[in-house]
Amino acid sequence: GAVVSQHPSWVICKSGTSVKIECRSLDFQATTMFWYRQFPKQSLMLMATSNEGSKATYEQGVEKDKFLINHASLTLSTLTVTSAHPEDSSFYICSALLAGEQYFGPGTRLTVT
Amino acid sequence: DAKTTQPPSMDCAEGRAANLPCNHSTISGNEYVYWYRQIHSQGPQYIIHGLKNNETNEMASLIITEDRKSSTLILPHATLRDTAVYYCIVRPHSGGGADGLTFGKGTHLIIQP
Repeated sequence: GAVVSQHPSWVICKSGTSVKIECRSLDFQATTMFWYRQFPKQSLMLMATSNEGSKATYEQGVEKDKFLINHASLTLSTLTVTSAHPEDSSFYICSALLAGEQYFGPGTRLTVT
Repeated sequence: DAKTTQPPSMDCAEGRAANLPCNHSTISGNEYVYWYRQIHSQGPQYIIHGLKNNETNEMASLIITEDRKSSTLILPHATLRDTAVYYCIVRPHSGGGADGLTFGKGTHLIIQP
């Protein structure tokens, strides 16, 4: 149980375009989901907390207008990277909260050319 | 979350026990010790957690010192598939666990054949 999926698993986009990443809790409902980012050879960094039906809470230094988060249902949160640039290339990982525990998705590798 | 300190890397022979240390000298009384691991290019995987008693599950054992200032994760019979980065995190449990996790640099455990 407590499976979290992400789609796509990897994506390549051109600089200036937008890309949407989906995070789904497959067998449970999650009021709260989290988005993390991981650059090569670095640890995971929390970007934002996504709450169903309300605005996301962003960590300091994360641009909310660039990283749009929508948590429209109890099983789906989306992260849209707008006007992507090469420096946004990273591994994006989501997690979903269930009974106080976080269950992680497999991650999405974004490459911006 | 309280800060943790882990060695950056460790080697262990296949079939032997892997003992991963973690220092968390500033842990608060209501904070648990959690261990996650991240296999290359995958999302983190929960391993085990504990408050003050030693814990064991099908994956590992967790030994917490009496003063709770340090702990050791034990993989009893390491296999090549256990090669990963292991993260030790201290955080409140359950009702207080609705915050994103703060990942340190972790320990890169390499299992040698």
